[in-house]
Amino acid sequence: GAGVSQSPRYKVAKRGQDVALRCDPISGHVSLFWYQQALGQGPEFLTYFQNEAQLDKSGLPSDRFFAERPEGSVSTLKIQRTQQEDSAVYLCASSLPSAGTYTDTQYFGPGTRLTVL
Amino acid sequence: QKEVEQNSGPLSVPEGAIASLNCTYSDRGSQSFFWYRQYSGKSPELIMSIYSNGDKEDGRFTAQLNKASQYVSLLIRDSQPSDSATYLCAVRGYKLSFGAGTTVTVRA
Repeated sequence: GAGVSQSPRYKVAKRGQDVALRCDPISGHVSLFWYQQALGQGPEFLTYFQNEAQLDKSGLPSDRFFAERPEGSVSTLKIQRTQQEDSAVYLCASSLPSAGTYTDTQYFGPGTRLTVL
Repeated sequence: QKEVEQNSGPLSVPEGAIASLNCTYSDRGSQSFFWYRQYSGKSPELIMSIYSNGDKEDGRFTAQLNKASQYVSLLIRDSQPSDSATYLCAVRGYKLSFGAGTTVTVRA
């Protein structure tokens, strides 16, 4: 079946612009994660949804970052008033968690490369 | 201190040799451990998962876990040029915490 998809694949924004990044998880996957990956670094956790509930947003770097998943499927990560330090690849991952365990596999989308000029 | 630390690399090995990658983690409560491979410009791809102490083998890959030492490793046997990539160690409670990655180059 189809994997996780993200759009756009590339986004160039001028500093101060707002951007919206979209993630379509694998159909039926309950859990959805957003990660930020800076050049030469591993992905860093941003936020986590279980269905439509945002259970953890501790990784969001500032209040300019906002994520939603209103119907428990597609998710949008919005960044307001973008800054140069926001330039990174934003990865979305989804999983179908096994109850009571943390052994489920997270499947990653291709990412959106954001460049803020 | 980062939650997950990896040997910094880059690691260069000749074709056919064994590549050895190391990872330590700080949270003793971590339950699941993963190795992801990431080709340049691509997203991470899961290659191994391990949940209990000891070794786990899958083809040319062997993962080793020692929870007492908070250490997990990945061995790649008979390294191929197609193995050239960045290898990310990840540890989870419910969210994944990644190391910075080790870049491996296999010389033909």
